[in-house]
Amino acid sequence: DADVTQTPRNRITKTGKRIMLECSQTKGHDRMYWYRQDPGLGLQLIYYSFDVKDINKGEISDGYSVSRQAQAKFSLSLESAIPNQTALYFCATSGGYGDGYTFGSGTRLTVV
Amino acid sequence: QQPVQSPQAVILREGEDAVINCSSSKALYSVHWYRQKHGEAPVFLMILLKGGEQKGHDKISASFNEKKQQSSLYLTASQLSYSGTYFCGLPYLNDYKLSFGAGTTVTVRA
Repeated sequence: DADVTQTPRNRITKTGKRIMLECSQTKGHDRMYWYRQDPGLGLQLIYYSFDVKDINKGEISDGYSVSRQAQAKFSLSLESAIPNQTALYFCATSGGYGDGYTFGSGTRLTVV
Repeated sequence: QQPVQSPQAVILREGEDAVINCSSSKALYSVHWYRQKHGEAPVFLMILLKGGEQKGHDKISASFNEKKQQSSLYLTASQLSYSGTYFCGLPYLNDYKLSFGAGTTVTVRA
């Protein structure tokens, strides 16, 4: 099993629909992140969580919300999807200082 | 606040060398390097810590210049498997969330 699992892998949804992307990790880490990737723009931080009770906005949180259901689970929701939220979404986890990120395989989301 | 990477793209023949640079407008505490193959997730290559040594991963190494606020990734004797997009990631202040550069796409040809 992968260390970080994202579901679904691909999703097409309509404008205005609410959609949830799920992420779970088996690394036992407290820190989890959601990033969005657009061509040529690298990875932009949406939300991050340093433990179950700690949720923080990243650079581009407008239009998104998150839920940290457990140490291992961190979900991203688009409350009312719009076409410019079409992107590749990655979940990641890390240990403490000096530890690299482990990314999930990504969710390719298309909003039509 | 996003780190600046250069060049945006580089094309190499097998066996050639390349350097990718990552610059920050703020003081650096550490630098991460990742590689992403097309259609896949980014994979962690290495981290350089302030005051730490130059790191290596196969024939890929990196340096960290705190005074110049930049890091460089060195691809030595490139192999076909080195193709992909390389990202540097810098922490905000001494926090542990990363800001990533836009990436450098490396294409290695036979």
